[in-house]
Amino acid sequence: GAVVSQHPSRVICKSGTSVKIECRSLDFQATTMFWYRQFPKQSLMLMATSNEGSKATYEQGVEKDKFLINHASLTLSTLTVTSAHPEDSSFYICSATTGGSYQPQHFGDGTRLSIL
Amino acid sequence: GESVGLHLPTLSVQEGDNSIINCAYSNSASDYFIWYKQESGKGPQFIIDIRSNMDKRQGQRVTVLLNKTVKHLSLQIAATQPGDSAVYFCAEAYNQGGKLIFGQGTELSVKP
Repeated sequence: GAVVSQHPSRVICKSGTSVKIECRSLDFQATTMFWYRQFPKQSLMLMATSNEGSKATYEQGVEKDKFLINHASLTLSTLTVTSAHPEDSSFYICSATTGGSYQPQHFGDGTRLSIL
Repeated sequence: GESVGLHLPTLSVQEGDNSIINCAYSNSASDYFIWYKQESGKGPQFIIDIRSNMDKRQGQRVTVLLNKTVKHLSLQIAATQPGDSAVYFCAEAYNQGGKLIFGQGTELSVKP
């Protein structure tokens, strides 16, 4: 149980392109989803917290207009990297939780984004 | 805040030995702790969790110990196998869950 699917797993595109990443909870309803960014050999850095039906809460230093998050249903959240540039290249990972007390986050397998 | 490091600590063990991975957490108000395993190119995988009202919790081949006095968490893996090779992260949360703060991670390498 508690499977989170992330798509696509890898994206290579030209500078200036907007890229959408999907995160789905397959066998549970996720009231809260999180988006992380991870650089090689480093820990996960939280970008934003997304609750179904409301606006995402962004961490300090994360541009909300650059990283658009939509959480339209209890099983789907999307992250759109708008007008991506080479410095946006990274490993993006989503997680989901039911939102109850003492419930762990369950993670997708990440999206490797490479901007040329 | 987030934990960012340039070099992952590494632990190398022989197959069959026990492994102990340590983590110092930052917030004395944290009440929920989780260990994750991350294999190369994949997302973190849940291993085991523990609440702050406990000192020890056991799973299959894994044990988590929590010392709130010194804000220390450890993960013990019994009879370590090559498939255990990965990066292990501890994570802390307060208010019974929600937002996680990740540790810097430890890379475990198991020699056959």
